[in-house]
Amino acid sequence: DGGITQSPKYLFRKEGQNVTLSCEQNLNHDAMYWYRQDPGQGLRLIYYSQIVNDFQKGDIAEGYSVSREKKESFPLTVTSAQKNPTAFYLCASSDRGIYGYTFGSGTRLTVV
Amino acid sequence: AQSVAQPEDQVNVAEGNPLTVKCTYSVSGNPYLFWYVQYPNRGLQFLLKYITGDNLVKGSYGFEAEFNKSQTSFHLKKPSALVSDSALYFCAVRDNSGAGSYQLTFGKGTKLSVIP
Repeated sequence: DGGITQSPKYLFRKEGQNVTLSCEQNLNHDAMYWYRQDPGQGLRLIYYSQIVNDFQKGDIAEGYSVSREKKESFPLTVTSAQKNPTAFYLCASSDRGIYGYTFGSGTRLTVV
Repeated sequence: AQSVAQPEDQVNVAEGNPLTVKCTYSVSGNPYLFWYVQYPNRGLQFLLKYITGDNLVKGSYGFEAEFNKSQTSFHLKKPSALVSDSALYFCAVRDNSGAGSYQLTFGKGTKLSVIP
């Protein structure tokens, strides 16, 4: 089945450490996105990529980095510069058509 | 620029009663409109979309939405609510003019609580 996979589902990080969240899709979608969701909040766009080897900052990119070396993969690194990284992170992908986004199941990151 | 407003943070409805979750939008061209549902600790799931054609769109789990161009609205409805419908609902819009990116803009979400 085609879909989008985020791993791990739960992640714990010590303060001062970088951590990388994985996002892989086998839908042959051109575009991929990372969102952050805090309790009771909507979705805030961190980064997005419309094509391999290219990506753009979203609304809250500070403290985060991404890469898009392959069409299928769009990993997100939460760096130590992110002041409040505890949140639920969602990855999504889309094609150029009319089908909206397909979302992964999310990664819950907790800083301990 | 495109934007979406979901004016209610929370909607409470009794089980068996009809439910409505409101959404209004703004785009420069014609819209593609979507509704997604999110259960706790899960990703967003697609419910339904309006692209063109019939203004009443039917989707998953008995949900439907009515596109109203004059009021720039796309309200989500269900004739009889179930407790299992309790979740967070997101409306999203994209301008279908074909120019630029095909990025969706999401509303802030509406928490639906169905009371037994």
